[in-house]
Amino acid sequence: NAGVTQTPKFRVLKTGQSMTLLCAQDMNHEYMYWYRQDPGMGLRLIHYSVGEGTTAKGEVPDGYNVSRLKKQNFLLGLESAAPSQTSVYFCASSSLSPVVAFFGQGTRLTVV
Amino acid sequence: AQSVTQLDSQVPVFEEAPVELRCNYSSSVSVYLFWYVQYPNQGLQLLLKYLSGSTLVESINGFEAEFNKSQTSFHLRKPSVHISDTAEYFCAVSSGTFQGAQKLVFGQGTRLTINP
Repeated sequence: NAGVTQTPKFRVLKTGQSMTLLCAQDMNHEYMYWYRQDPGMGLRLIHYSVGEGTTAKGEVPDGYNVSRLKKQNFLLGLESAAPSQTSVYFCASSSLSPVVAFFGQGTRLTVV
Repeated sequence: AQSVTQLDSQVPVFEEAPVELRCNYSSSVSVYLFWYVQYPNQGLQLLLKYLSGSTLVESINGFEAEFNKSQTSFHLRKPSVHISDTAEYFCAVSSGTFQGAQKLVFGQGTRLTINP
């Protein structure tokens, strides 16, 4: 049971570089989410998707783009990385029932 | 907008002692409430949830939480903790759905440290 898998697990970027984080789920979930985790702030929702080909903004979407071309994959892109985007990124997925989000192991991103 | 407040950022306790991690949320409508646990260098795992029905919910490893609508609280308790409970605990509330998607709002987290 893979569940939710994130790639890569660690990455160091220079300011201005771009990258894509990949999230894959094998539970046939309709909904997928990207969160960022910062010390003392819990997790905050960046973007989410209610189905293949659809995405929506969360609480902190600026500087990020997402795509969901296949139901099982949800990509998070940083076009021009900034030090403020240094964080741990978590992907999650859920279905209508049960109402529970399953999380990946996280991607630790450092922007220098 | 929904908000979740975890009143303690760190809670140190001795092994086999009881513990309570406090969580308050702001909402005037029905909500779904969750506690997630994050062990060191791992992702979040669901500990327990309240969706409806009995206000007292339990996990398989001895934790319980009580939904108190009048106080808008969902405190987490365990009568006797173990070293293995050392982790960060996050309270979360579903801020509503958009076409079925559950947008979670998380508290700041409480780091539980168990001392022998």
